Amino acid sequence: QVQLVQSGAEVKKPGASVKVSCKASGYMFTTYEINWVRQATGQGLEWMGWMNPNSGNTGYAQEFQGRVTMTRDTSISTAYMELSSLRPEDTAVYYCTTRSHTTISGVVYNWFDPWGQGTLVAVSS
Amino acid sequence: DVQMTQSPSSLSASVGDRVSISCRASQSMSKYVNWFQQKPGKAPKLLIYAASSLSSGVPSRFSGSGSGTDFTLTISSLQPEDSATYYCQQSYSSPLTFGGGTKVEIK
Repeated sequence: QVQLVQSGAEVKKPGASVKVSCKASGYMFTTYEINWVRQATGQGLEWMGWMNPNSGNTGYAQEFQGRVTMTRDTSISTAYMELSSLRPEDTAVYYCTTRSHTTISGVVYNWFDPWGQGTLVAVSS
Repeated sequence: DVQMTQSPSSLSASVGDRVSISCRASQSMSKYVNWFQQKPGKAPKLLIYAASSLSSGVPSRFSGSGSGTDFTLTISSLQPEDSATYYCQQSYSSPLTFGGGTKVEIK
């Protein structure tokens, strides 16, 4: 079955960078776009951006432009999300998820499924 | 950015009750809305895509409706395992955005 397994929790100091990995299995890695979504403790879901594993093309939410980099290693079916210049408000659980799609009555719809288990990134001095 | 406004922010209902959660989009978006269920400490789980299509393996007591700006997630007969937070999400335009969530508790 399609599965995404993420790297373990990280503790970082303000100003540092963190790189979270997301290993895919159960499908051809280059088929589906990988997206990243984060969730601060007790808060809602915030979309960060997407990466096309086939081309390497990316698109980032304005809030993270200049601080986030999404990459991949197709040889090991793994996607990465690196966030730099960390601040305490970046403390959150970071999820990777695939964006699947279908066509209904000629219209293409997409959604996030499945999701990785999440990676807690804590930023504290 | 498209704003997704959910209501209520929380609700408490009894087993067997019919529960509805509303999601209003700040602009019209046909049926480009998905619904997710999230339990504490777990990743979100897809329930409904394209406003009304049930995701594989999801119990039929969950249903979605709506188009344009107003969308609804309905649980026809609430079960104890449905205690969770529910989020709507628009896939119409970037940046993709989520509603603020509705926490459902069992009385």
